[in-house]
Amino acid sequence: GNSVTQMEGPVTLSEEAFLTINCTYTATGYPSLFWYVQYPGEGLQLLLKATKADDKGSNKGFEATYRKETTSFHLEKGSVQVSDSAVYFCALKTSYDKVIFGPGTSLSVIP
Amino acid sequence: EAGVVQSPRYKIIEKKQPVAFWCNPISGHNTLYWYRQNLGQGPELLIRYENEEAVDDSQLPKDRFSAERLKGVDSTLKIQPAELGDSAVYLCASSLVYQRENYEQYFGPGTRLTVT
Repeated sequence: GNSVTQMEGPVTLSEEAFLTINCTYTATGYPSLFWYVQYPGEGLQLLLKATKADDKGSNKGFEATYRKETTSFHLEKGSVQVSDSAVYFCALKTSYDKVIFGPGTSLSVIP
Repeated sequence: EAGVVQSPRYKIIEKKQPVAFWCNPISGHNTLYWYRQNLGQGPELLIRYENEEAVDDSQLPKDRFSAERLKGVDSTLKIQPAELGDSAVYLCASSLVYQRENYEQYFGPGTRLTVT
């Protein structure tokens, strides 16, 4: 079946530290991959996406590369800010347009 | 542009009581989704509508949950009767599906349900 696994949180980093949140997936076919972000008190927002192998999604300084050989889509940012504190969800979209989310990883950035 | 609107934002009810959630999608979006998000987990799809038609309700517990999307715009999700395990955040999302291409889903802020 289709599933998404993320590194467990919470993750706590100092401002300007490097961020990696690991995400691996299991899927039949060729899914699209996404990172969503949920800021405190707000709804989920699409952060970035990649639709095929070797694509790199990027937005707001965040990046993730679709790695088919390792079935991974790790989220990275070179220098985090306090405003990046949120919960991050990795997700895949199947060929039937069904989106499956990972459990989320909570990030806290301290000044 | 207004986003996805949900109401109420919070609801506390006793078990065995009925409850209803309302969603108004982004104008022009023909596809609407209801998700349930348990604490510490990602959202799980309950039902998906394309216009008025429910095209995927395989994860909807039909013994107590029902949903409708009259006129292909607003939608209501109902639970009757509620159980303790239904405590969760119920999210509504909408997107535009055009020429077999499904564009980004936009999420509402959710309704946090507590069943006591």
